[in-house]
Formats: sequence, C-alpha cells, structure tokens
Amino acid sequence: QKEVEQNSGPLSVPEGAIASLNCTYSDRGSQSFFWYRQYSGKSPELIMFIYSNGDKEDGRFTAQLNKASQYVSLLIRDSQPSDSATYLCAVSIYGGSQGNLIFGKGTKLSVKP
Amino acid sequence: KAGVTQTPRYLIKTRGQQVTLSCSPISGHRSVSWYQQTPGQGLQFLFEYFSETQRNKGNFPGRFSGRQFSNSRSEMNVSTLELGDSALYLCASRAGGSSYNEQFFGPGTRLTVL
Repeated sequence: QKEVEQNSGPLSVPEGAIASLNCTYSDRGSQSFFWYRQYSGKSPELIMFIYSNGDKEDGRFTAQLNKASQYVSLLIRDSQPSDSATYLCAVSIYGGSQGNLIFGKGTKLSVKP
Repeated sequence: KAGVTQTPRYLIKTRGQQVTLSCSPISGHRSVSWYQQTPGQGLQFLFEYFSETQRNKGNFPGRFSGRQFSNSRSEMNVSTLELGDSALYLCASRAGGSSYNEQFFGPGTRLTVL
C-alpha cells in the first residue's frame, strides 16, 4: 500500500514566524512531490512542486526533498493569517506518465495575529 | 486562461439513484483525473482520462465510471448511490506532456446522498 503521511495538526504559529510542514512517503520510486493549499470549503490549490533532492524556493515558500529519508517538507516564512489553511502533500509515483497523485490527509495550519 | 470548471457545484440525491458530474479542463490540457475527498479518507484517486482513454483507475467499485470527449471534457458517473458516496468530487487537469504531473483542480462538486 503506497502511503503518504502527514501530521494532522493543528499546527499553530504566530504571525511572522516560520511554519514547518512535514510529509513522509512509503514508495521509494516516487518521482515528484507536490504541496497543495486548501482553504475550508475550497478546492486544493497547487503551491509548488519539487522533484530533485535539495531545496526549492518560491517567494515565502521553500520545499525541501530528501529522497534517501523519503521526506518532503514545506517551510512558510513570515507566516500570515491568510496562510491559515490545510496543506496537502501529494506524491506522483509515475512522474508524467500517469495522472494519479497519492495524497496525505493534510496538516491544518493556523497563523495567529 | 480560464481554469478548470465543474458542474454542478452542489447535488443532492437519494440512495439508489445515479449521478453524472462534468468537468472541463484548462484549455489545451488533455488529461483529466477525478478524485473523491471525504473527511475520513482524504483525497483518493478515482481514474484518469487522457485523449479519450482511461489511463489508470483507483481502488473504487465499478459503480464509479467515467468518460472523456474529443474536446477533453470529462464526465464521471456514479450508479446506485450509497450514503458513503457523499463527498466532494474534484477533477484535476494537466497538460499531459509534463514530466512532473502537476495537476490543477476545479472547484469540485459537493454530492450529498440521503
């Protein structure tokens, strides 16, 4: 059974702090990794993806991938109340050849003003 | 560029009925994947269509089916509805030529089965 695990939270951080969200996956052959943000009552929105070991930065967001440890993380710098949402980690085992993403159940983030 | 659209947005049905949901992908995208989201199970993959062909299928019963048309629009059908089918049904669009499988979700159809 291919699995993606996330701490369900809630993770509470003060405004301006760094929020750190973590995700582990079971299939060592996984090829690409995605972070989605989902506001309550809305659909998931793609924040960023990463496919090679190391860090990838986009604005206030940094994704980190460690394939040896089967671990993906998302750092949100200067957290804002508008970042309060559920963050979903997703893994693609087949890369671009097939469309099925395997999702974790999400971490709920709360940023307190 | 317009995003992914799904219709209807909300649906209420009773057990035993069937339902058809529709998804129009981003212009130029040829792949549509369907997912079911519930509080208990999270987001689970149903199936993917690419160029009118089902490419792969998740672990759902045969009551769940779909198809894709030549304009890439896709429909999903659920027959003999059960209470447990109440969920948010999401479709996701991708270009199909990417190596990385980045997918963009529509707003979803909220299905309630009474």
